[in-house]
Amino acid sequence: GDSVTQMEGPVTLSEEAFLTINCTYTATGYPSLFWYVQYPGEGLQLLLKATKADDKGSNKGFEATYRKETTSFHLEKGSVQVSDSAVYFCALSERDSSYKLIFGSGTRLLVRP
Amino acid sequence: KAGVTQTPRYLIKTRGQQVTLSCSPISGHRSVSWYQQTPGQGLQFLFEYFSETQRNKGNFPGRFSGRQFSNSRSEMNVSTLELGDSALYLCASTVPAGTDTQYFGPGTRLTVL
Repeated sequence: GDSVTQMEGPVTLSEEAFLTINCTYTATGYPSLFWYVQYPGEGLQLLLKATKADDKGSNKGFEATYRKETTSFHLEKGSVQVSDSAVYFCALSERDSSYKLIFGSGTRLLVRP
Repeated sequence: KAGVTQTPRYLIKTRGQQVTLSCSPISGHRSVSWYQQTPGQGLQFLFEYFSETQRNKGNFPGRFSGRQFSNSRSEMNVSTLELGDSALYLCASTVPAGTDTQYFGPGTRLTVL
């Protein structure tokens, strides 16, 4: 079945460093791709999405490009802040007759001042 | 517009009991999905409801059930609780037809003793 693989964490960076969190997927169809973020004690917040090949999703300085040829959707940010410390989840939606997200295992990001 | 609300936020039960969790979607959203989040298994899809009908179900035992009411509010029930049911239960709502973006509530933290 469909699946999402994320890089293991935690990822520890200093403030203003460049961030990359790798995400690859396996899907039989043509999924939509998402990044969600979870802060301690909270639910999931949508960070960005992309629905077709070469689409770039962006929000709050984060970006990710839908790469169909490499089945990837890596998350990047040019300069992280302490407030970006959270767990990041990559997910796909199969876009069939129901709404079901398949999530990666999550990557914890720790940003030190 | 108010977000997805879930009640209660925290719940403590003992093995063998049953529990009912509630989710109110964003106004106008007619699809509601439920997910279980645990440290070991990550985020797993439980089921999705649209217009009071279950459209998709994840790989969970029959002790997990749900329903949706005519106002799109949803409940999930877990009977004969086991220690392994301790988890954060997240509800998400979606506007169907044209978008598959899911918006999550803060979750209900269930602890089974």
